[in-house]
Amino acid sequence: AQTVTQSQPEMSVQEAETVTLSCTYDTSESDYYLFWYKQPPSRQMILVIRQEAYKQQNATENRFSVNFQKAAKSFSLKISDSQLGDAAMYFCAYRRSNSGGSNYKLTFGKGTLLTVNP
Amino acid sequence: GAVVSQHPSRVICKSGTSVKIECRSLDFQATTMFWYRQFPKQSLMLMATSNEGSKATYEQGVEKDKFLINHASLTLSTLTVTSAHPEDSSFYICSARDWDRGINGYTFGSGTRLTVV
Repeated sequence: AQTVTQSQPEMSVQEAETVTLSCTYDTSESDYYLFWYKQPPSRQMILVIRQEAYKQQNATENRFSVNFQKAAKSFSLKISDSQLGDAAMYFCAYRRSNSGGSNYKLTFGKGTLLTVNP
Repeated sequence: GAVVSQHPSRVICKSGTSVKIECRSLDFQATTMFWYRQFPKQSLMLMATSNEGSKATYEQGVEKDKFLINHASLTLSTLTVTSAHPEDSSFYICSARDWDRGINGYTFGSGTRLTVV
């Protein structure tokens, strides 16, 4: 079974600074997808960024970028120019490329609570 | 964009009663619905997956007779917590998958906080 590990329960960053959240995963699959989701205090889950395993280029969405290291099974999220609105719980998630009977379910890590200090 | 409406947002019920939580996809067809449970400051734990018109598939350790899932239409799925007990108190979230949107097609409801007294 696939597992997703986020080793940082909490992180803090100063406004306008950069922070990196870590995520590692375990899988025997060669093709899969990885995601970062944000859950603000409203508890609404919001997709931040995704990465296809077959792509070597790291995904970027404005101030958010990832460092995808397939061999190391590592998928970290970098938030640049941190803003107060970035404060939230961040979840790393994995999904198989092929269903394999899994209904394309997402497997989540335990999350990292990010605090942004003004 | 795609929206999933989840109701109620909060519910308090007495021990032994049943509670129904609804998730509706407002502008797309939710071929698959995922139901999660989230404890405070913890991750989302998948409880079950349902495909429209089929019986739900439950994760190991989840009592299917206690957590009844119905996905009778492409826009509505319900989770009924039967004979609720205080240990069922939690935050429940649904997520609908829209096949037409491919890999980005996971839309989450805003969650339901269930308190059993």
